[in-house]
Amino acid sequence: DSGVTQTPKHLITATGQRVTLRCSPRSGDLSVYWYQQSLDQGLQFLIQYYNGEERAKGNILERFSAQQFPDLHSELNLSSLELGDSALYFCASSAQANYGYTFGSGTRLTVV
Amino acid sequence: GNSVTQMEGPVTLSEEAFLTINCTYTATGYPSLFWYVQYPGEGLQLLLKATKADDKGSNKGFEATYRKETTSFHLEKGSVQVSDSAVYFCAPTFPLDTGKLIFGQGTTLQVKP
Repeated sequence: DSGVTQTPKHLITATGQRVTLRCSPRSGDLSVYWYQQSLDQGLQFLIQYYNGEERAKGNILERFSAQQFPDLHSELNLSSLELGDSALYFCASSAQANYGYTFGSGTRLTVV
Repeated sequence: GNSVTQMEGPVTLSEEAFLTINCTYTATGYPSLFWYVQYPGEGLQLLLKATKADDKGSNKGFEATYRKETTSFHLEKGSVQVSDSAVYFCAPTFPLDTGKLIFGQGTTLQVKP
C-alpha cells in the first residue's frame, strides 16, 4: 500500500456519460497530481493542486475538471466521455517536489 | 522548454546481463531527477532519485548519476533478474515549473531466464 488511495479501480461506462475519479493523498502531502496513461500517449500530466488550489495545468481537456477539497482529497471529473478517453488515470501526491511522488494504483476507465 | 528524452524500447536481455537505459533532459535551471518503475498491472513506484549535480541515486541494485554537463541521468544495473521486467520512466521535475514531473515515454525491459 503506497498510502495514496484511488477509487474506483475499474470503471466501465458509455460514451457521453460523466464519471468522477477519487484520490486520497498520502497523509501529510499537500500536493496532488493527476496523470493519464494511454498506450499511444504515454503518461500525460493533467493537473496539479496544492493545498486546495490549482497550481498547474497540463494537457487537460475542457471536458475534464478537478478539485481538491479541504481534507486534501481530490476528484477528477470526466464528462461527455469519448472512446478515446479510455485510459489509466493515476493520482500522485507529494510533500515537496524534490522528494518525488507517491502514486496510487490507478483507475482503469473503459468507455464503450 | 523543459523536456526529457528516454531510450526507446523494448529492451530484451538475458538474466545477469548489464542494463543501461539512457535518459537526457533539456531544462531551464537544475531539475531534480527521478526514475520510476511500473510493474505489470501496477502503479508507478519511485526507484531512485538525485537532486543535484554528481549525486548518485541507487536502489535495488539500480544506479543513476546526475550528470549536469551532459544533462543525463542514465539508469544502470550490473546484473538484471527476471523480476526486473517492467517499464522504466525517467522523470525530471523542474523547480521553476511548479515541481510537476515530466515523464519520458517509458522503456519496457524484458528479462529472459
